[in-house]
Amino acid sequence: KNEVEQSPQNLTAQEGEFITINCSYSVGISALHWLQQHPGGGIVSLFMLSSGKKKHGRLIATINIQEKHSSLHITASHPRDSAVYICAVDSGAGNKLVFGAGTILRVKS
Amino acid sequence: NAGVTQTPKFQVLKTGQSMTLQCAQDMNHEYMSWYRQDPGMGLRLIHYSVGAGITDQGEVPNGYNVSRSTTEDFPLRLLSAAPSQTSVYFCASSYYRRMGMAEAFFGQGTRLTVV
Repeated sequence: KNEVEQSPQNLTAQEGEFITINCSYSVGISALHWLQQHPGGGIVSLFMLSSGKKKHGRLIATINIQEKHSSLHITASHPRDSAVYICAVDSGAGNKLVFGAGTILRVKS
Repeated sequence: NAGVTQTPKFQVLKTGQSMTLQCAQDMNHEYMSWYRQDPGMGLRLIHYSVGAGITDQGEVPNGYNVSRSTTEDFPLRLLSAAPSQTSVYFCASSYYRRMGMAEAFFGQGTRLTVV
């Protein structure tokens, strides 16, 4: 079993829809990262959080440490949000990130 | 501010050839790392460094070598390329924190094909 599981693997939405991507992990962590990867492009850090909730524009990330679960929400989705969204956890030991396999999001206009 | 710069962006190698993937960052980050990304799998850590002169192995180090002579540069060497090393490689850098990584900055990736 992978230490970091993301769901769904693939997601297609209509423009304007509210989107949720989930991340569950099985190890103790010091922080959880949400990353975005556009097709053919590099990887950009969206959020790093260790508790509670963070918001940046239309993106919201939440984490529940007790349940070992995090969600990434996109409000009023837009075709430019189409990308792979990756969850990664940091156990705090040795500065190593463990990554989920990613969620492929496609937003149709 | 260039961030993390990886070269080359694309490379085709023949089995048995060696090559070096270059990674440079201009943010004075202590922590640098190399990952490979394969279809259907998460990024996997190859090697990492917490400062000049200090390197360590990650999850999949076999067939790769690294050194860190300066804070800015962290090259990844493929000693004798194999088809199993066909992948997309990412270099990343971050501030080093005792309790885990700060925000990570990634390069644009190198798509490597070994034939």
